[in-house]
Amino acid sequence: GESVGLHLPTLSVQEGDNSIINCAYSNSASDYFIWYKQESGKGPQFIIDIRSNMDKRQGQRVTVLLNKTVKHLSLQIAATQPGDSAVYFCAAFSRNTGKLIFGQGTTLQVKP
Amino acid sequence: DGGITQSPKYLFRKEGQNVTLSCEQNLNHDAMYWYRQDPGQGLRLIYYSQIVNDFQKGDIAEGYSVSREKKESFPLTVTSAQKNPTAFYLCASSRPGSETQYFGPGTRLLVL
Repeated sequence: GESVGLHLPTLSVQEGDNSIINCAYSNSASDYFIWYKQESGKGPQFIIDIRSNMDKRQGQRVTVLLNKTVKHLSLQIAATQPGDSAVYFCAAFSRNTGKLIFGQGTTLQVKP
Repeated sequence: DGGITQSPKYLFRKEGQNVTLSCEQNLNHDAMYWYRQDPGQGLRLIYYSQIVNDFQKGDIAEGYSVSREKKESFPLTVTSAQKNPTAFYLCASSRPGSETQYFGPGTRLLVL
């Protein structure tokens, strides 16, 4: 079946460093991708999205890169802060299923 | 103040009891969704509704029921047929024609 997965369950970075969280998807018909941030005990919060006709999109301190050839996307967080500590999910939307499929999440830990 | 609200934040269920989780949105979104979140797993779709008075089963609908009598409301009932109901339940909604889903704060269901 269709799947979305993250490469590392946990990522630990030093405050001020850049963070990179990776995600792979299986369905080549996926054409829209979202990154969510989920803090402990709260609902996922939209961070940034990207469509398959783009390979890069930037927001405030965040960048998403999409490589459709290898079905991989990444979330880059610049100058990581303690408030960035959370679980990060990627999600892929496929036109052929009409559903958003979520990965398991990577826990980002920021060391002071 | 627009958004998605879920209540209660914590809910306790006794064996054999049906319980109902509330989800309300004032974003004027047409589509609403219910997901279940378990530790170490991605979000799994329980039910979704694209329009009032219509809803479809997701990937794990057994033991759950929903209704969509109003655009703003999409309550989820966890029935006694759901043998493993302990989880974090998330409600989401999306604008017409948009794949982006926005989430509520979640309800944690625990079994006594």
